Amino acid sequence: EVQLVQSGAEVKKPGESLKISCKGSGYTFTSYWIGWVRQMPGKGLEWLGVIYPGDSDTRYSPSFSPSVQGQVTSSVDKSISTAYLQWSSLKASDTAMYYCARVMLSAGHYGMDVWGQGTTVTVSS
Amino acid sequence: EIVMTQSPATLSVSPGERATLSCRASQSVSINLAWYQQNPGQAPRLLIYGASSRATGVPARFSGSGSGTEFTLTISSLQSEDFAVYYCQQYNDWPMYTFGQGTKLEIK
Repeated sequence: EVQLVQSGAEVKKPGESLKISCKGSGYTFTSYWIGWVRQMPGKGLEWLGVIYPGDSDTRYSPSFSPSVQGQVTSSVDKSISTAYLQWSSLKASDTAMYYCARVMLSAGHYGMDVWGQGTTVTVSS
Repeated sequence: EIVMTQSPATLSVSPGERATLSCRASQSVSINLAWYQQNPGQAPRLLIYGASSRATGVPARFSGSGSGTEFTLTISSLQSEDFAVYYCQQYNDWPMYTFGQGTKLEIK
């Protein structure tokens, strides 16, 4: 079975660092891009960025680019089929559900066909 | 950045009836559009890609249409499990994505 399994819920204080994970199984992890999506409480879906586990090529939404937002980055450890989303200094506004999703391979179409269960991140003093 | 606008924000329909959801792009995205369903407390699920191709395992009552800037998701004969929030997403700008703000489909 193709699946993505994310790490568990996190409760952190402002200014703390955090790394959440997304482990793929049932398919060739290095052959599919992984995307990250944020969903703030009661709100819609926002795309954060994508990473290609084969070579760690990473692209970010302009709204979440590390050079702009300065905090969230994505990485991958292909030896354990795991992608990561990392913050160096959390803010209360980072409180959200974070999903990872596999980008499909189908003749130039890039929908997200397999989703992780989500990781809830709560940042509060 | 391509802006995706969904309408209506909330749609009330009775079980067994047809629902029609709309998604508009601020510029042409060809057929590079996907639809997702999100039930409460669950991750999104891919329904449609390429504007009209059903994803694996998606029932035939779900259909997508459109190209360019105007897209429609139609659900014929609504079942109880279909009442959820639906999002469109463009990937014409791959690897840049944009989601619409969502349409909540509720029971009338």
